[in-house]
Amino acid sequence: EPEVTQTPSHQVTQMGQEVILRCVPISNHLYFYWYRQILGQKVEFLVSFYNNEISEKSEIFDDQFSVERPDGSNFTLKIRSTKLEDSAMYFCASRLDSPSSTDTQYFGPGTRLTVL
Amino acid sequence: DAKTTQPPSMDCAEGRAANLPCNHSTISGNEYVYWYRQIHSQGPQYIIHGLKNNETNEMASLIITEDRKSSTLILPHATLRDTAVYYCIDLTNFGNEKLTFGTGTRLTIIP
Repeated sequence: EPEVTQTPSHQVTQMGQEVILRCVPISNHLYFYWYRQILGQKVEFLVSFYNNEISEKSEIFDDQFSVERPDGSNFTLKIRSTKLEDSAMYFCASRLDSPSSTDTQYFGPGTRLTVL
Repeated sequence: DAKTTQPPSMDCAEGRAANLPCNHSTISGNEYVYWYRQIHSQGPQYIIHGLKNNETNEMASLIITEDRKSSTLILPHATLRDTAVYYCIDLTNFGNEKLTFGTGTRLTIIP
């Protein structure tokens, strides 16, 4: 069964450094998302992406964040200058966009980002 | 904020049916009831969804009341691997609509 993959599984970085989290969505999916979950808290929406542009972003997704689909398979989240409070699990998700009633968002396993 | 309300935690004996309730007091006519679960910090996993009819798949059954103000997710024979946080979410699933997660119900399956 196709699945969303994410790399790395765990990223440790120093405060102020740039990080890029990578996702490979399911191959024929058209909508892409990033969510994050701070330890012990709710899963929070960050950004959605469709047709090579951001569709919606949350208040969390400030100028330090950016997303890109550099080729036909990868979807990346970049944090330019990491802060301690960026430490969280980051989940990528993708969705097909079809009239089928089974269409839904499928999540990857997540990348645990630790900012020291 | 999430529009649904769920009990914070529940226990269920292994092998028994787990019945997880959800209130959807503000659900609109074009919103589906979706259920996801998250097993110990893994990515959320889709379980089932429905509009107004009861639904069943290989993972679970979904019962939606006639007024659609509440639903129940049923795991018919719970196993230890079903221990997770379960989320119900109201969603039109049109376009790029995001998922808004609440705090969910932490279901613990007891051996």
